[in-house]
Amino acid sequence: TQLLEQSPQFLSIQEGENLTVYCNSSSVFSSLQWYRQEPGEGPVLLVTVVTGGEVKKLKRLTFQFGDARKDSSLHITAAQPGDTGLYLCAGARNTGFQKLVFGTGTRLLVSP
Amino acid sequence: DTEVTQTPKHLVMGMTNKKSLKCEQHMGHRAMYWYKQKAKKPPELMFVYSYEKLSINESVPSRFSPECPNSSLLNLHLHALQPEDSALYLCASSQDMLAGGAAFGREQFFGPGTRLTVL
Repeated sequence: TQLLEQSPQFLSIQEGENLTVYCNSSSVFSSLQWYRQEPGEGPVLLVTVVTGGEVKKLKRLTFQFGDARKDSSLHITAAQPGDTGLYLCAGARNTGFQKLVFGTGTRLLVSP
Repeated sequence: DTEVTQTPKHLVMGMTNKKSLKCEQHMGHRAMYWYKQKAKKPPELMFVYSYEKLSINESVPSRFSPECPNSSLLNLHLHALQPEDSALYLCASSQDMLAGGAAFGREQFFGPGTRLTVL
């Protein structure tokens, strides 16, 4: 089974704190996507990483793809209440390419 | 237009009802997906259409029947559902899988979902 394990499962922090969410697998992925989902809404694509070791920044969010393309991390600097949501990583394989393997999810709550 | 739209937003139905969920995209994407998502869980893939043909059915019960009338539309017909089918149903689309730049072709863009309650 191609599993993507995310940690932590739940994170509750104060506004202004920094945090990192991890997405780990024993499988290699050709690309990996990060989504944020708010309650009752669909996931919104944040970023796609493709190259091993790649780092992408989106304002206060920094995404990294592991050198071996088996893991990824999302770092948020100075979290804000608007960052609250469910963060999902999703990996694409070279075979069975129409399927995304979703991570187990990290629920983030940022309090004012 | 970079949106995937879904209607209705909310749906309440009895176990004997027949209803349909609709999804539309105008991004020229040639792959469309139905997912089911339970609370606090990641989305679970149900069906994939590629070039308007069903390419993946994840062993979904026959009370769920997908349809892809054209490259922009995707329907999910519901009949004789069970209360445990209550969930958020998400539609997604992605670019042509067969084109170059395959990594970005696999990016899936989701609609806002239909919250389905089966009584």
